Amino acid sequence: AQSVAQPEDQVNVAEGNPLTVKCTYSVSGNPYLFWYVQYPNRGLQFLLKYITGDNLVKGSYGFEAEFNKSQTSFHLKKPSALVSDSALYFCAVRLGTSGTYKYIFGTGTRLKVLA
Amino acid sequence: EAQVTQNPRYLITVTGKKLTVTCSQNMNHEYMSWYRQDPGLGLRQIYYSMNVEATDKGDVPEGYKVSRKEKRNFPLILESPSPNQTSLYFCASSRKPPGGGSDEQFFGPGTRLTVL
Repeated sequence: AQSVAQPEDQVNVAEGNPLTVKCTYSVSGNPYLFWYVQYPNRGLQFLLKYITGDNLVKGSYGFEAEFNKSQTSFHLKKPSALVSDSALYFCAVRLGTSGTYKYIFGTGTRLKVLA
Repeated sequence: EAQVTQNPRYLITVTGKKLTVTCSQNMNHEYMSWYRQDPGLGLRQIYYSMNVEATDKGDVPEGYKVSRKEKRNFPLILESPSPNQTSLYFCASSRKPPGGGSDEQFFGPGTRLTVL
């Protein structure tokens, strides 16, 4: 079965430290990969995406993610965390099959940045 | 302002009483989708639409219906709601990139539905 895994329910990091939120996927074909962020009582907001090309993609608010095909991973990173980064983060895969708009989301990782 | 709107934002209803959650986008997007968000399960896709009159099932379509008669609107219909459909629902839309690939989704603010 095709799936997206976010192995950590919660990640705690001190302000100013680097952060990593992990995502691995298991899908057939070449997936399109996304990260979204959800702040309390809000909808999801797009952070970044990998479609093709450079394995390191840069996104909004200083976030970046590294696509690793051999490990089927797409971890989200930021060099220096801010308290305002505290939120719920979702990794998502759009299946690459043409003619479909199917998405699979991970279960989410709550990031807490401690002052 | 580019946005996806959903109505109502909050709804409490009873088992079996038909309801519709509306979704509208003003960005002329081809793709639209409905998700439900449940604790510990993340977002799960209910239905999606690739254009007018083109809809297909996501991972959890049971108990839901959709229609796409106009490009901007994508209503979600619960013909006979049950308590297990109590959830937070999101509508999303995205553009179909002219050269292929995939654009990001724009999400609505969510509809919190409680079925008693």
